[in-house]
Formats: sequence, structure tokens, C-alpha cells
Amino acid sequence: QSALTQPASVSGSPGRSITISCTGTSNDVGAYNFVSWYQQDPGKAPKLVIYEVSHRPSGVSNRFSGSKSGNTASLTISGLQAEDEADYYCTSYTSTSTWVFGGGTKLAVL
Amino acid sequence: QVHLQESGPGLVRPAQTVSLTCSVSGDSISRDTHYWSWIRQPAGKGLEWIGRIYDSGSTNYNPSLKSRVTMSMDTSKNQFSLNLSSVTAADTAVYYCARLGSSGWYINRAFDIWGPGTEVIVSS
Repeated sequence: QSALTQPASVSGSPGRSITISCTGTSNDVGAYNFVSWYQQDPGKAPKLVIYEVSHRPSGVSNRFSGSKSGNTASLTISGLQAEDEADYYCTSYTSTSTWVFGGGTKLAVL
Repeated sequence: QVHLQESGPGLVRPAQTVSLTCSVSGDSISRDTHYWSWIRQPAGKGLEWIGRIYDSGSTNYNPSLKSRVTMSMDTSKNQFSLNLSSVTAADTAVYYCARLGSSGWYINRAFDIWGPGTEVIVSS
């Protein structure tokens, strides 16, 4: 299985919005609404920020939102804050009952 | 509150088998609301899903690692384990255990709780 495709880096100014894309295939992202997103600070374990494409776990800011169209899922962070600077990973359940991650996106808040 | 904690040898010789254990507190690995998973991350690189274990020991593994991976669970200790055989330098990484929601949980098929990770270095 091939990794999902994410941009290596994105950047945005405080208060603005950014979107990170995650492109897969009809066997993973396109097949199920089981795309999730994770935020990872340096040296820390990843933290779930979006599950089932667009749902936020309790305690996650409503500035985080997710969507999907076809084989591409997206994470949008609005009202960027310095604390949002981190690495972000998408993952999807696949048709072979496995999971595949994206390569990760480094978010810089300028 | 649910906590996961990985433990392992830290340093492993090439060609050997590395064994890691994840101890779970605050939840029972026997419940059908969750699966239990291993994920790894080489330094400076992305996350790689290794496999999951659920029910009484059913498993799914990453096809690229399947020939070298074995996962097991000990419900009496509320722990699950990973064995990775024939290791090479490419297996050097931080290994995370994580809780994975099933269809019986409100967070379905996402990794909602992670351990802090344990570093495995493969070196002679």
C-alpha cells in the first residue's frame, strides 16, 4: 500500500486559515469516511484532532475542521495561532482492513 | 483516564527480534469497543502503521512488514505486544502503541489514545 500524499509544508499568518490536503485512492480515502488527522509537536506523541473525516474529539478547538471530496481529504485550520505550529498527519482505513498514513505536513505560523 | 505505556529493550542487534510491550490502564483490552495498534516513526520521518490486534487475538498487519511482525495480547495483564524479527537499521524508530476505536465506539477507526513512545535503536 502506498502512503497518502500530503504537501511537505504549508504556512500561514496568525489569524488566517490554511488547508492541508491528503490524497489517496479509491481503496482508502475514496472508499470510506474513516479519514483522521493528527497533530504532532516535536518529541511528542501524535494527538487526534479530526476523526471520520469531519468530527472533532472533545477538547479540540472548533478552529479545526475536516472534509473530503473523492479521493482527497482536507484539514482546515482557521484563525491560525502560534500554538498550531506542528506536524500534521492524515490516515485512512483501507479496503484490506489496514491503515495508511500520509507523509506528514509541517505547518509554519509566520 | 486511559493511559498507554510502551516498554522495550532500547538497543537491539541486527538480525535479532525486538519485543515491545504496551501496558494499558483505565480501559480493558478485552472490550470490543477498541482495537490495539502499533505505529512507528523513524527520526525525522513520518508515521508508519505496523498492525492491530483485537478480539481474542485477531490481527491485521502492514503488508510491507507482515512477514516479520507478530502481535499478541495478554488479557490477564491488560497488555499487548509486538515482536519484529530480523531487524535492520531501517527498523530504528520510535514505536508507539495506540488505542483504535471500533464500530462500537463513538470514535470509529481512529487512533484516539497514544502512548508516549519508546525508542528502538538497531545497532551492533
